[in-house]
Parts: sequence; C-alpha cells; structure tokens
Amino acid sequence: QVQLVQSGAEVKKPGASVKVSCKASGYTFTNYFVHWVRQAPGQGLEWVGLIDPTGGSASYAPKFRGRVTVTRDTSTNTVYMEISTLTSADTAVFYCARAHYGAIYDYWGQGTLVTVSS
Amino acid sequence: EIVLTQSPGILSLSPGERATLSCRASQNIGNFLAWYQQRPGQAPRLLIYDASNRATGIPARFSGSGSGTDFTLTISSLEPEDFAVYYCQQRSSLFTFGPGTRVDFK
Repeated sequence: QVQLVQSGAEVKKPGASVKVSCKASGYTFTNYFVHWVRQAPGQGLEWVGLIDPTGGSASYAPKFRGRVTVTRDTSTNTVYMEISTLTSADTAVFYCARAHYGAIYDYWGQGTLVTVSS
Repeated sequence: EIVLTQSPGILSLSPGERATLSCRASQNIGNFLAWYQQRPGQAPRLLIYDASNRATGIPARFSGSGSGTDFTLTISSLEPEDFAVYYCQQRSSLFTFGPGTRVDFK
C-alpha cells in the first residue's frame, strides 16, 4: 500500500535550519511529484513547494523561494525539505503529499511538527 | 495569485442533516478544484478532485459541483465522523487552499 512516512518532530532555535524527510513506499517513486504543505498552529494549509522525483527539478511558492530547498534521493525513495533562517513564524506542521495529475494530493504523510523557539 | 474564499467559516449542524459548503475563486479555474477533509490531529484526506470526482473510497454522501469560479461540496446526510474542517484547493495556477469551513455539532 502507498505510504509516506515523515521524520520526527524537531525543535530549533531562531536562525537555524531544519531538514525534514518523507520516505515513499508502495508505488513507483518517479511516477508522481511530491509536494510539501505547511500548517501553522490552528491555521489552514499553505503550499510550500514540489519536486519531480524523476529529474529532481523543484518549484517553490514565492514566499518560500530562496529559503526552502526540496531534494530527493532515488536510491531510498526519499524526499527532503530544508528550511533555512528559521523564525518563530515557521513553527508549524509540515506535510508531504503525493501529487496525482500535478497537484491532486491523494496520499499524505503523517506530518512533522517543527517548533522554532529560543 | 488565485485566492479561494470559503463560506461559511463555521457550519453548525446535527447528524443526519445536509451540509452545503461553498468555495469561490478569485478568477476562472475551470474545474481544477479539489476538496479535502481534515479531522483534528490528522493529515488532510482527499474527498473530491476536478470539482466533481469522488476519490477512491469516499462515500457517496459526498458530492462536488461547480466550475469556473463557484464550487460546492455537499454532504447529503452527516455522519458523526464528518464533523471536521473542509478545505478547497485549486491547481489552475500554482496551488492555493481556501481558509477552510469547520463543520461543528449543533
């Protein structure tokens, strides 16, 4: 069965970086884009970026461009999202999601809570 | 950026009642609209894609309609597990979500 398993919760200080992983299984990794979505505490969903696992090309929402990097490792079927220069406003749950037909999110990871606090 | 507006913000209903949720786009998005359900502490779940297609395993009480700028998600008869937050999402130009509609117990 299709599964996306994310890495565990992180606590970081302001100015630090964090790297979250999303390991895919149960399907052909290179057949589907993977997206990242952010959800701040008590708030809605916000698109962060995506990666095409085939060639590794990535695209980002304008507000995250330059601060977020999405990469993949085809040997382990894992997608990574790194966020630099963290601030308290980055405290959120980050989800990875498999994208069908470009951006129909049919499977989601369990979410990773990133807490930024001094 | 395409902005999605959802109404109402909160919908207070009882089990067995019909729920009608609205999503409006700031510009024409064709039928490139999906609906997701999110229960507390869980990841979102895909309900409807391309405005009116039910995702695999989604009960028939969920239906979607609309095109262009106005879309509707209807739950024909609420079950206890349907009390959750519902988000619409467009994929016509980049990807954006609406702010959500919470379906609460009356």
